Amino acid sequence: AQKITQTQPGMFVQEKEAVTLDCTYDTSDPSYGLFWYKQPSSGEMIFLIYQGSYDQQNATEGRYSLNFQKARKSANLVISASQLGDSAMYFCAMREGMTSGNQFYFGTGTSLTVIP
Amino acid sequence: GAVVSQHPSRVICKSGTSVKIECRSLDFQATTMFWYRQFPKQSLMLMATSNEGSKATYEQGVEKDKFLINHASLTLSTLTVTSAHPEDSSFYICSARETPGSNRGTNQPQHFGDGTRLSIL
Repeated sequence: AQKITQTQPGMFVQEKEAVTLDCTYDTSDPSYGLFWYKQPSSGEMIFLIYQGSYDQQNATEGRYSLNFQKARKSANLVISASQLGDSAMYFCAMREGMTSGNQFYFGTGTSLTVIP
Repeated sequence: GAVVSQHPSRVICKSGTSVKIECRSLDFQATTMFWYRQFPKQSLMLMATSNEGSKATYEQGVEKDKFLINHASLTLSTLTVTSAHPEDSSFYICSARETPGSNRGTNQPQHFGDGTRLSIL
C-alpha cells in the first residue's frame, strides 16, 4: 500500500484565494511526523510545515496551515491568500518514528498553478 | 504503482572510502532525477539534477568532483561520494520524474527513493 497518497496531480487557484492540497497517509506506527515541501521548477525542496502525530493543534506557518485529521489519516495543506509565487509542485511526506535518520515517504506531488 | 529503488539504504564505512548510491526507477522512464541531502530541521538540499545522457547540473556549493553523478540510462542514476569524510555523513535521497509525454501531461509525478543513510567513521 502507498504510504503517502496525493490524489490531485494538478490544481488551479485564483490569486488571493485559498486552496487545499490533499494528502492521506498510511501507517501503523503511533509516532510519526508529516511534512509538506514546495518544489519550484528549479528542483529544490523547500520545507513548509510540520505536524507531529501527538500534536494537539493543527500546525500553522504564515499562510500555510495543515488540516490534520488523525482518525481519517489525512494531512491536507491549506494555502491562504494564494500568490503567483506559490505556483510550484507540492509534496506531502511522512517519517515514521521520531528518531532522526528514518526514511521519508513521499507522495507523487501536486502541481499548483496560481492564476492572476 | 511507480517505484523508485534506492540502494543501499544504509552505509557505514571508513574515511577515504568512495561510496556509490544507486537510484533506479523500476517501472517507468525518468529523464530527470534529483539528488538531495537532508540537513537539520528537515530541510532537503538539492545537490544536483541528473539528466539522462548528459552531464548533471550541480547546485552552487556542491563539489562535482566530490559527488559524481552518472545518469547512464532512463532508469538509473548513480551518486558516488568520492573519498568520503565524516562531514559527508548524512541522509541522501533521490527522486525521479516521469518522462514527459505520459497521460498526465505536464504534471509529471515525481517518485522518491527511500533514502540512504551514509555514516563515515
